[in-house]
Amino acid sequence: DAKTTQPNSMESNEEEPVHLPCNHSTISGTDYIHWYRQLPSQGPEYVIHGLTSNVNNRMASLAIAEDRKSSTLILHRATLRDAAVYYCILRAELYNNNDMRFGAGTRLTVKP
Amino acid sequence: GAGVSQSPSNKVTEKGKDVELRCDPISGHTALYWYRQSLGQGLEFLIYFQGNSAPDKSGLPSDRFSAERTGGSVSTLTIQRTQQEDSAVYLCASSFSGGDLETQYFGPGTRLLVL
Repeated sequence: DAKTTQPNSMESNEEEPVHLPCNHSTISGTDYIHWYRQLPSQGPEYVIHGLTSNVNNRMASLAIAEDRKSSTLILHRATLRDAAVYYCILRAELYNNNDMRFGAGTRLTVKP
Repeated sequence: GAGVSQSPSNKVTEKGKDVELRCDPISGHTALYWYRQSLGQGLEFLIYFQGNSAPDKSGLPSDRFSAERTGGSVSTLTIQRTQQEDSAVYLCASSFSGGDLETQYFGPGTRLLVL
């Protein structure tokens, strides 16, 4: 899987939007962009994924740059429960790659 | 429905002892993964089971680590002659079919401390 780069940490105020960036300049045409998050003392949970077009679901939105070299996970109104480590991961459709390479992720702190 | 469960939730052992960690995947999921997460680090892939196929053991760090999956359901990760560097959270995940784009559902993990 291609490498991703994320800031180590970010802070947000409760009820405000949060934009979590991810750089993946070596992304290939078949790589999907996945986001997982890990709440304290829990296993990771799926958030969202996309290929080229922006995606929305009940948890978040994913904005993908036109050249696909970066993406942004958007939490529209941060809550205290959104405090977690957010991982940006690339997964290739064509390769039988069982290894989801989680980097260090971005630790999001939400202030009341 | 029930998610992925793991037991024990915490395990403290002495250096040199063997430990067994258990994972119960979501019913009907054919793919099962084991990961290790050291303090403050990302996840490290260990092993992957898919149906009746031979497991992908490429992530196991040494021959002290082994895993089984009986009857295509429950899996046990065994660490023999534990070392202090084995201390970590061991996470299990399952997915419906193991495809590269399948969502993986994680258990809460087993926190292993080797004294």
